[in-house]
Amino acid sequence: KAGVTQTPRYLIKTRGQQVTLSCSPISGHRSVSWYQQTPGQGLQFLFEYFSETQRNKGNFPGRFSGRQFSNSRSEMNVSTLELGDSALYLCASRTGGLYTDTQYFGPGTRLTVL
Amino acid sequence: KQEVTQIPAALSVPEGENLVLNCSFTDSAIYNLQWFRQDPGKGLTSLLLIQSSQREQTSGRLNASLDKSSGRSTLYIAASQPGDSATYLCAVRALNYGGSQGNLIFGKGTKLSVKP
Repeated sequence: KAGVTQTPRYLIKTRGQQVTLSCSPISGHRSVSWYQQTPGQGLQFLFEYFSETQRNKGNFPGRFSGRQFSNSRSEMNVSTLELGDSALYLCASRTGGLYTDTQYFGPGTRLTVL
Repeated sequence: KQEVTQIPAALSVPEGENLVLNCSFTDSAIYNLQWFRQDPGKGLTSLLLIQSSQREQTSGRLNASLDKSSGRSTLYIAASQPGDSATYLCAVRALNYGGSQGNLIFGKGTKLSVKP
């Protein structure tokens, strides 16, 4: 089975721009979560989608948004980029059913904001 | 608010040693606890998942325990090898109000270095 894939792997943007990151979950997984990882704050939860609906949301400003498509693929968008948005953005998938199960992570997208 | 703490932040050991990594959490209302490893610049690899009703899980040289009442988990690595060098992260899945599954809350990790 193919793992979680994320595109692009690296991205350089300037302040004020917007960016869209993409995530393809493991086949059969209906839940996709997004995390931001920085050296200072560690891993912080952004949001989780399950069957195209946002199921959980972290404490990030409204500039961070996401969506999930009917094939479970997910996109994350950050508008009006700030320097502090530079981070590794990780996507993770799991089956997401009634019983909790292992979360599988993608390799991440490294975003640099100049 | 759930907080996850991992001690120590860094650990260096000689090859072959058995070691224990510690994780503590402030709220015992959790769905499960997972241990991950992360290699530099890479994503996370799941090592072990312990459901809230379980006490421990084992996989190869790894053994993870969970004591929900005291808010503690340990990851035991037997006969460490240089390939075990990585950052080890502990995460708890929160239990939302109403009993639904919450998100994963991570500790800051323990950076392990195993010297040949």
